[in-house]
Amino acid sequence: DQQVKQNSPSLSVQEGRISILNCDYTNSMFDYFLWYKKYPAEGPTFLISISSIKDKNEDGRFTVFLNKSAKHLSLHIVPSQPGDSAVYFCAATPGANSKLTFGKGITLSVRP
Amino acid sequence: NAGVTQTPKFRILKIGQSMTLQCTQDMNHNYMYWYRQDPGMGLKLIYYSVGAGITDKGEVPNGYNVSRSTTEDFPLRLELAAPSQTSVYFCASRTRGGRTGELFFGEGSRLTVL
Repeated sequence: DQQVKQNSPSLSVQEGRISILNCDYTNSMFDYFLWYKKYPAEGPTFLISISSIKDKNEDGRFTVFLNKSAKHLSLHIVPSQPGDSAVYFCAATPGANSKLTFGKGITLSVRP
Repeated sequence: NAGVTQTPKFRILKIGQSMTLQCTQDMNHNYMYWYRQDPGMGLKLIYYSVGAGITDKGEVPNGYNVSRSTTEDFPLRLELAAPSQTSVYFCASRTRGGRTGELFFGEGSRLTVL
């Protein structure tokens, strides 16, 4: 039973355009949501997070939106750059000292 | 600053063999984790530790064992390797009181069981 779902396995966008990566969750106890980025042959690295008390968090070109009623979050990358090509994992946790649950990941390809 | 270091990076095992994946971190983090990632799948938690001497099972602990005798080291032991354990293994750590959910990962260890 997947509690964090990333239903699209891949996304391809043109350089300079917006990338929108989606994530859905089923566990109402999740209180904190994160995005990790992973390049080939490397470990995942933290990208951006959002608490359930917010509906938006922005960090440079990256913005995460949270819709609690729909149990949905999205990561927007504007403008997309070729260096953004990677696998992006959505993750969620019920609290600060709880374990993370990861989605399957989505492979983003940014075409020059 | 090395961060989280995993060895070996690659290993091929025969069915029934045993091995230990090593993980060490130099950030004095309390929490350490072992994940596995199968192709097209997310990260599944195998075992975790909240401090030296304390370990607990994650989602997929069967076939594995861990120990945490020091803050720095968190080795993962595979006993009687099976093809189902073919995967990429990631060790991660985090500090108590740090940003919620922010883990620091090693580069991974790719294990193939034939």
